[in-house]
Amino acid sequence: EVQLLESGGGLVQPGGSLRLSCAASGFTFSSYVMNWVRQAPGKGLEWVSGISSSGGTTYHADSVEGRFTISRDNSKNTLFLQMNSLRAEDTAVYYCAKERWLQSGFDPWGQGTLVTVSS
Amino acid sequence: DIQLTQSPSFLSASVGDRVTITCRASQGISSYLAWYQQTPGKAPNLLIYTASTLQSGVPSRFSGSGSGTEFTLTISSLQPEDFATYYCQQLNSYPYTFGQGTKLEIK
Repeated sequence: EVQLLESGGGLVQPGGSLRLSCAASGFTFSSYVMNWVRQAPGKGLEWVSGISSSGGTTYHADSVEGRFTISRDNSKNTLFLQMNSLRAEDTAVYYCAKERWLQSGFDPWGQGTLVTVSS
Repeated sequence: DIQLTQSPSFLSASVGDRVTITCRASQGISSYLAWYQQTPGKAPNLLIYTASTLQSGVPSRFSGSGSGTEFTLTISSLQPEDFATYYCQQLNSYPYTFGQGTKLEIK
């Protein structure tokens, strides 16, 4: 069974840092593009970051560019999101998601991890 | 960036109704469009990819159509478990973007 399990969320003060992890199982992790998507409380979905299968190419939304860094360790089947200079507006549930072949959607998604930025 | 606009944002319907949700892109995205269903407290679930292909395990009452800039998601006969929020997503180019969502409620 294909599974994604996020961890690392929690409460952090504005300006602080947090590192999210996403452990993958049930598929050949190193063959797939992976992404992070977030959802602020009561709001819609926002794509955050994406990374190529090798890790050599990354993409970030303008809202997190320069503050967040996506990376992966294919030897450990794990995806990461390093979040620095956190702001209140970064408060959200963060999901990791596997991108299907040929840009045909995200499936599956992890269960999400909540990040709360507050003093 | 490509903007996606869903309509309506809210939809009230009854079990058995046929409903259609529209997603318009600010520029052409070929068929690089996906639809998701999300229920409260859960992760989104992929329903449709490449605009019209039904994801494995998704009931056949769901269908998608369109290409270029206009797309639709249709539920042919609403079931109680279909009352949820639906999102479209474009995967034509980064940054990938989502529509604002359509909340489908029971009338």
